[in-house]
Amino acid sequence: SQQGEEDPQALSIQEGENATMNCSYKTSINNLQWYRQNSGRGLVHLILIRSNEREKHSGRLRVTLDTSKKSSSLLITASRAADTASYFCMNYGGSQGNLIFGKGTKLSVKP
Amino acid sequence: GAVVSQHPSRVICKSGTSVKIECRSLDFQATTMFWYRQFPKKSLMLMATSNEGSKATYEQGVEKDKFLINHASLTLSTLTVTSAHPEDSSFYICSASGLADQETQYFGPGTRLLVL
Repeated sequence: SQQGEEDPQALSIQEGENATMNCSYKTSINNLQWYRQNSGRGLVHLILIRSNEREKHSGRLRVTLDTSKKSSSLLITASRAADTASYFCMNYGGSQGNLIFGKGTKLSVKP
Repeated sequence: GAVVSQHPSRVICKSGTSVKIECRSLDFQATTMFWYRQFPKKSLMLMATSNEGSKATYEQGVEKDKFLINHASLTLSTLTVTSAHPEDSSFYICSASGLADQETQYFGPGTRLLVL
């Protein structure tokens, strides 16, 4: 199956700093979603951006989408230790509605 | 690689009946299985987390009496949609993680449920 890729694979920052994660994908998309996963837990949906949108905000989260470059970024502002988790992008693409997940960025926020 | 299967892939049932969906890890022991629901072209919604041999942990807003989850063995979890109604029509997806790598989830292909 096709997979998008996030970068960096791992990111370590201090509390209060901003964290930026990027995601690239290969197929055409209807929308792109970002999820968070705490260790050993299920994926939790954070934000969805549609293919005709360029930027979206939700609380401390800001997502951008560049369909010409097939890439998206997730910015977490004023990070907290509780933001420590893995972050995945997922794009909904293809006529079969298949799920395509990226490999994730492991974020560590140090207090 | 780790393979997760779901059965059935599609099911159509009448309103009021119960439907059971199976999720199996084919080549690894799944200590934890997750059940998700996905509406058309929308995000995955985590419904519950089940650990082998213990009761499932349901997410807020998910009716545990409506969506019965059983994780009786290290390779099988079942989701039963009881007294299904048309609004239960959706795409149900399971994922599994094993003891050797608890941070990686392997997803099943999903089950499309249509309740008439």
